[in-house]
Amino acid sequence: KQEVTQIPAALSVPEGENLVLNCSFTDSAIYNLQWFRQDPGKGLTSLLLIQSSQREQTSGRLNASLDKSSGRSTLYIAASQPGDSATYLCAVPKSGNTPLVFGKGTRLSVIA
Amino acid sequence: DAGVIQSPRHEVTEMGQEVTLRCKPISGHDYLFWYRQTMMRGLELLIYFNNNVPIDDSGMPEDRFSAKMPNASFSTLKIQPSEPRDSAVYFCASSGQATQDTEAFFGQGTRLTVV
Repeated sequence: KQEVTQIPAALSVPEGENLVLNCSFTDSAIYNLQWFRQDPGKGLTSLLLIQSSQREQTSGRLNASLDKSSGRSTLYIAASQPGDSATYLCAVPKSGNTPLVFGKGTRLSVIA
Repeated sequence: DAGVIQSPRHEVTEMGQEVTLRCKPISGHDYLFWYRQTMMRGLELLIYFNNNVPIDDSGMPEDRFSAKMPNASFSTLKIQPSEPRDSAVYFCASSGQATQDTEAFFGQGTRLTVV
């Protein structure tokens, strides 16, 4: 059974700091990995998707890496801003379109 | 496309009442997923459909929960009778054919409160 763990559960940083969010999964036979952002009271917004054959993906100030063999992914946020404050979730399907299994997220607060 | 559309956004109901949540997936998507989010358990899959056919409903907590997808553009999740412990945010998501770059897209959710 696939289990996804995210550490830390919460993180508070001053504006401008670079930060790393961690995600680990127990079954490395994944198809891809997605990082989502969730603002309070809102739905999930897809940030990045890394295919199983890729090592990383970048979008603006966000960079996500994937190490399948060790069952880990990281989301790097450069030059954090107060607008980055949200909960960040990672999720993996076991294969194809089997449903995503989610971690419980990291709640990020960026203090101005 | 307007994305995945869920209704209502908020629902407050009394214990014992029937509740129906609605979802319109993104046009052309073959997969539809229903999730429930609580503080304690995070996001949990309830059921998912492929081409309108239920594939896995093992996450449906009890017989009080049922889901249908009568056509490619509409799905419902029904709770009858509702109980206070059903209070949560219910999300619907959809995705296209399975490839490595297939993303899942989520609706804004329905916040259900059962009093």
